[in-house]
Amino acid sequence: DIQMTQSPPSLSASLGDKVTITCQASQNINKYIAWYQQKPGKAPRLLIRYTSTLESGTPSRFSGSGSGRDYSFSISNVESEDIASYYCLQYVNLYTFGAGTKLELK
Amino acid sequence: QVRLKESGPRLVQPSQTLSVTCTVSGFSVTSYHVSWVRQPPGKGLEWVGAIWKGGSTDYNSALKSRLSISRDTSKNQVFLKMNSLQTDDTGTYYCAKHYGYYFDYWGQGVMVTVSS
Repeated sequence: DIQMTQSPPSLSASLGDKVTITCQASQNINKYIAWYQQKPGKAPRLLIRYTSTLESGTPSRFSGSGSGRDYSFSISNVESEDIASYYCLQYVNLYTFGAGTKLELK
Repeated sequence: QVRLKESGPRLVQPSQTLSVTCTVSGFSVTSYHVSWVRQPPGKGLEWVGAIWKGGSTDYNSALKSRLSISRDTSKNQVFLKMNSLQTDDTGTYYCAKHYGYYFDYWGQGVMVTVSS
């Protein structure tokens, strides 16, 4: 099974900051990583697929990059509506989520 | 419009079997794969298993011995059965539609508590 190590577990940011979350896979996942946003009491929402492809409706302040085992997800100019938890998901070999990152306002 | 809706018991006793139904609309379960994902209270997401559009299944290796996923194509429904429930199976159970191999649409989830 592929393991996904996501960090940090939590982030504190001010409005307008840039934040970055990383996920490291236990093996090469060939860019098959997606990123989800989850707000309390809600289902996850797909933001990015295949490392860097923004899903329709995802604001351009969200971005993703990476290759091999190492991937990152960034939000530039954090807005109040971005306060949520974020999860990576590898889908090259069945599915594994990262442990999640909770983004809070400083 | 794509919709998924989970239904099932809110309370299950330890050692019993959980049965959850995912009723979908706006797409056919014979055209798109469907997965189950669960989330313990206050914790992260865990993939449970999938039923592929052809009808075959795959399961999380940690849960495989307790799981069964099936479907009724005439009703566009997918079913999750998990036996020998323990308290750490408590959580919200989601069904999710695949686009290709990632999940694009999710149901609202059903919160299941395992307790006597």
